[in-house]
Amino acid sequence: AQSVTQPDIHITVSEGASLELRCNYSYGATPYLFWYVQSPGQGLQLLLKYFSGDTLVQGIKGFEAEFKRSQSSFNLRKPSVHWSDAAEYFCAVGSQGAQKLVFGQGTRLTINP
Amino acid sequence: EPEVTQTPSHQVTQMGQEVILRCVPISNHLYFYWYRQILGQKVEFLVSFYNNEISEKSEIFDDQFSVERPDGSNFTLKIRSTKLEDSAMYFCASSVGGRYTEAFFGQGTRLTVV
Repeated sequence: AQSVTQPDIHITVSEGASLELRCNYSYGATPYLFWYVQSPGQGLQLLLKYFSGDTLVQGIKGFEAEFKRSQSSFNLRKPSVHWSDAAEYFCAVGSQGAQKLVFGQGTRLTINP
Repeated sequence: EPEVTQTPSHQVTQMGQEVILRCVPISNHLYFYWYRQILGQKVEFLVSFYNNEISEKSEIFDDQFSVERPDGSNFTLKIRSTKLEDSAMYFCASSVGGRYTEAFFGQGTRLTVV
């Protein structure tokens, strides 16, 4: 069965600092991978996705993620965070045979001024 | 930009009562989903719906739950007899296709069962 692990429940970074949020997945075949962001009181907004091809994918709001099959990882990065990036971030995996997404626990990002 | 809308944003209900959570998916989307997030836990898949029938459901989605697309625009989740443990944020989502496409999520309905 598919599973997703986000090892960091809460991360605090200073505004302007770089960010990396970790995501590890478990799935036997090639996964479809997603990062979603949830701001307070808002729904889940898609940041980026990986289906195939280039393993470094660019998303909205300056985010990028790299798929590393050998490490079963899909870490999210941003070179310089802004106060508005404070939110909950969810990694999710989909599969070829199913429509559903399996989500990680989420990582709450706090930005220090 | 088209979006998925959910109503109400917050619903409080007595244990044992029926609730209906409503969603308006994006108009050209064909696949519809419900997910839930119990406070402090993961977002969990409940059910997917395509061509007016359930295409996949989780073990959470038991006989107390049902989904319907009553009028071609709304997509509803009904919980027949709510339990305390049904308290959660419920997210509706839709996608153009079932695979190789991303799901767009609504802002959620917070259900509180008292």
